[in-house]
Amino acid sequence: AQSVAQPEDQVNVAEGNPLTVKCTYSVSGNPYLFWYVQYPNRGLQFLLKYITGDNLVKGSYGFEAEFNKSQTSFHLKKPSALVSDSALYFCAVRDTAYKYIFGTGTRLKVLA
Amino acid sequence: KAGVTQTPRYLIKTRGQQVTLSCSPISGHRSVSWYQQTPGQGLQFLFEYFSETQRNKGNFPGRFSGRQFSNSRSEMNVSTLELGDSALYLCASSLDPRREGEQFFGPGTRLTVL
Repeated sequence: AQSVAQPEDQVNVAEGNPLTVKCTYSVSGNPYLFWYVQYPNRGLQFLLKYITGDNLVKGSYGFEAEFNKSQTSFHLKKPSALVSDSALYFCAVRDTAYKYIFGTGTRLKVLA
Repeated sequence: KAGVTQTPRYLIKTRGQQVTLSCSPISGHRSVSWYQQTPGQGLQFLFEYFSETQRNKGNFPGRFSGRQFSNSRSEMNVSTLELGDSALYLCASSLDPRREGEQFFGPGTRLTVL
């Protein structure tokens, strides 16, 4: 079955430190992978996507993600975390039937 | 450009009632998708409409239905509400997710079933 896993419910990081939010996927064929962020009482905002090309994808607000085909991972990263980055992050994959499968989300808490 | 709008933002209903949620996509977007978000479950795909046709459907019972109008606005209906239907319902629009991929989400409608 096609799926997305976000193994960490919550990630805590100190402001200024690098952050990583993990995502692994299982999908047939070439994956379309996405990261979205959700702030309280808001809908999801698109951060970045991987379709093809360079394994390192750059997105909004200084975020980037690394696609690793052999490990079937698409981890979200940022070199220096801000308190304002605290939010709920979702990884998603588009399956072969064009349905979007979302992970259960990882709550990022950046501590001042 | 105005973003995706959803009305109402909050709803309280009782078991057995029905409810209709509305979504207005970004101007020019022809695809509207609906998702149910619950704690611990993440987002579950309900269905996608493209040019007034349901193009894709998730694994939800027939009590969940939707439609799209010629102006791309979409409605979602849930009949015979159950307690487990309490959730945040999100609408997402895009030009065509089969091409561009990324979707633009509305703020959601929070439905509480008592």
